[in-house]
This record gives sequence, structure tokens and C-alpha cells, in this order.
Amino acid sequence: ILNVEQSPQSLHVQEGDSTNFTCSFPSSNFYALHWYRWETAKSPEALFVMTLNGDEKKKGRISATLNTKEGYSYLYIKGSQPEDSATYLCAPTNTGNQFYFGTGTSLTVIP
Amino acid sequence: EAGVAQSPRYKIIEKRQSVAFWCNPISGHATLYWYQQILGQGPKLLIQFQNNGVVDDSQLPKDRFSAERLKGVDSTLKIQPAKLEDSAVYLCASSWVRGVGEQFFGPGTRLTVL
Repeated sequence: ILNVEQSPQSLHVQEGDSTNFTCSFPSSNFYALHWYRWETAKSPEALFVMTLNGDEKKKGRISATLNTKEGYSYLYIKGSQPEDSATYLCAPTNTGNQFYFGTGTSLTVIP
Repeated sequence: EAGVAQSPRYKIIEKRQSVAFWCNPISGHATLYWYQQILGQGPKLLIQFQNNGVVDDSQLPKDRFSAERLKGVDSTLKIQPAKLEDSAVYLCASSWVRGVGEQFFGPGTRLTVL
């Protein structure tokens, strides 16, 4: 079982603001890292999967970076919109594809 | 492609009662997972199936929780008897194979134990 920490726990931003979250995990035995977005009453939705140190992924206004040597990943949202309001979960995995989820960052974008 | 289906979406029971949740994974997905997400915590893996065999159930409270995956397709998770601390969202997910692969999640079942 991996100790995965996400910060901040919750965040309120104004529409148009840019924001970022952190996911910290043990760097030993790292295999891959997944980011998910989970809107209330919906299924968690995959955003990114990253495996290599220095990986950067981008999808629209959302991007993520990965540092496997120091054990962290950042998720960035540029120009937040109300529809970005959700809980963002990170999950490092082992070779058995077992996900170890962090507690998540709850984002609220205020119109 | 149809997503992961779960039922019921919501369930309210009293402590010491029994409850069962059902999951239908995406067609062709060999691996199925059940997670428990307690308010304020991240989802915790309860059990992982590869086809109809159990790969990992180390965090499943086996004195009250049980799960099966019939014919390597649908799965049920049962709690008997339920305790107050079992109040949580129960998520089912599936993926093609083990290794680096996206897990596709269902909408979850929100269980409230009174």
C-alpha cells in the first residue's frame, strides 16, 4: 500500500483563474501515475496516464507533469471554468495495475 | 462502447442488515475492481479479479464482505451484516489487462448505513 498525498484538500477559485494541485507518492517501485476527474454523481473520468520521468501531458486547458525521482506530479488548469469543478484524484500504480488513490483535491470554480 | 454499469445507485439500510451491489464491466475487460470510498478519503481497493479469479483481496474485510465474479463477467459485492462505518461510495472499475492501463469506472453505489 502506497502513501499518496494530495494538496490542497480543497480549493475555491474565481472563473478565469489558473490553478494547480500536487500529488506526492513514494518514488520507489513506481510504475505509472494516473489522474482522474470525478464530478459529483458521475463516474470518475481518466485525464492522464504518465510513466516516464519528465512526462508532460496536455488536454485542452489541463496539463500535468511527472517527476518520478522525487515522487510528485502537478496538475495545472489554465483559465478555470465552472465546469472544471470536481474532485481531482491521482493514483500511482504498481506493475499489477493496482491503483493507490490519494484523498483528492476538491476544486470549486466560482462564476 | 457502453460504460461500466452499477446498481443500485443509492441504498439506505440499517446496521446489521445485508446489502448487495452489482457491476457489469465493459465487454471484453478481463480485470474488474471494487473500491470503497469513504467521505474525505480516496478510493480504497477492496478486491481485484482477473477473469473470474481473485488477484488481490488483501483489504477486503472478509468477516463481513464477500465478492464474486460469475463467468468472468458480472460481479457482485455483498456486505453481511453492515456496520455504520460501511457507509461509503462503492465503485466498480474494469480494464483490459493488468499493467499500465486506464481503469474505467462506473458511477458508484452510495451506501448509507443507519
